[in-house]
Amino acid sequence: GAVVSQHPSWVICKSGTSVKIECRSLDFQATTMFWYRQFPKQSLMLMATSNEGSKATYEQGVEKDKFLINHASLTLSTLTVTSAHPEDSSFYICSASHPEQYFGPGTRLTVT
Amino acid sequence: QKEVEQNSGPLSVPEGAIASLNCTYSDRGSQSFFWYRQYSGKSPELIMFIYSNGDKEDGRFTAQLNKASQYVSLLIRDSQPSDSATYLCAVKVNRDDKIIFGKGTRLHILP
Repeated sequence: GAVVSQHPSWVICKSGTSVKIECRSLDFQATTMFWYRQFPKQSLMLMATSNEGSKATYEQGVEKDKFLINHASLTLSTLTVTSAHPEDSSFYICSASHPEQYFGPGTRLTVT
Repeated sequence: QKEVEQNSGPLSVPEGAIASLNCTYSDRGSQSFFWYRQYSGKSPELIMFIYSNGDKEDGRFTAQLNKASQYVSLLIRDSQPSDSATYLCAVKVNRDDKIIFGKGTRLHILP
């Protein structure tokens, strides 16, 4: 149990476009999901906490208008990177509480 | 500020030996403690969690918690090359709070 999926697993997009990443809890309901970003050879960085039915809580320094988070159901949270730039290229990982945090497989984003 | 400290390594351990990974945390109110394993290019995988003082064993893994010393450790017995990875220590202050991660310890099991 406690399986979390992400889609897509990798995506390449052009600078200025938007990309949506989905995070799903497959065998449990998650009122809280988390979005992380990890650059190569660096540690995990928490971007935001996503709560079902309410606004996400963003960490200091994370632009909420650039990284749009929607948690419309107990099994799905989405992260949209708007107007992506090459510096947004990273490994984006979600996790869901059950009650321990279980991570999805991650989405590798490359912005050209 | 809540902090979780780990030695970055790399920690090199011969195959078959015991690997010992250590972690300290700053917030005395911390209640839940986790160890994640992360292979290069992959997402973290939860391998152990512990809530009470003492030892918790699961297969080749043993987590040890000492709240008085604000110290948590992970022992891996009979280390295998497949155990080579980065191990992340994580701490949660209360049930609904986010997890604070350490920067991880790179473990290298020598064949």
